[in-house]
Amino acid sequence: EDKVVQSPLSLVVHEGDTVTLNCSYEVTNFRSLLWYKQEKKAPTFLFMLTSSGIEKKSGRLSSILDKKELFSILNITATQTGDSAIYLCAFEPRDSSNSGKLIFGQGTTLQVKP
Amino acid sequence: KAGVTQTPRYLIKTRGQQVTLSCSPISGHRSVSWYQQTPGQGLQFLFEYFSETQRNKGNFPGRFSGRQFSNSRSEMNVSTLELGDSALYLCASSLGTSNYEQYFGPGTRLTVT
Repeated sequence: EDKVVQSPLSLVVHEGDTVTLNCSYEVTNFRSLLWYKQEKKAPTFLFMLTSSGIEKKSGRLSSILDKKELFSILNITATQTGDSAIYLCAFEPRDSSNSGKLIFGQGTTLQVKP
Repeated sequence: KAGVTQTPRYLIKTRGQQVTLSCSPISGHRSVSWYQQTPGQGLQFLFEYFSETQRNKGNFPGRFSGRQFSNSRSEMNVSTLELGDSALYLCASSLGTSNYEQYFGPGTRLTVT
């Protein structure tokens, strides 16, 4: 059964720290991996990764995918209190019978203290 | 461009009743996927519609159904509500062909009493 495992499940850091969130997956047929940030409402899209070894960056956030070892990491540098949220990792299966379906991990709850 | 909208935002229903939730995708997006989010199970896929056709369905009972209209707006219906149906119901839209980035709406918080 396809699944996504995120670690750690929760994390408390102080402003200015750098954090690394992990996402490993076991899938039979892989199209892409996506990262979302969820505060009190809807998940907000961060990154979509399809190619191994290519880093995607947006401000203080970056992410990379390793398709050989089946994992992805999300880095946040110089954390701010506004980064406090649940970070969700999801993958999209490739086969057409699974169209429109994302399989999510449990999420990592990040709390950034002032 | 306007984002994904969902109505209503909050709903309280009684066991045994039925409920209909609505989702309007981003303009130009033809795919709408529905998810249920609970503290215990996380985000779980319900079904996906593309051009008025259900293309994919998750492991939920037949009480959960949906449809999509010609303007890509989608509705989901839950009949004979159970306490365990209390959850945040999220819809996500995407182009649905070649680019599958999904963008989520704010969700409908359903409470069943």
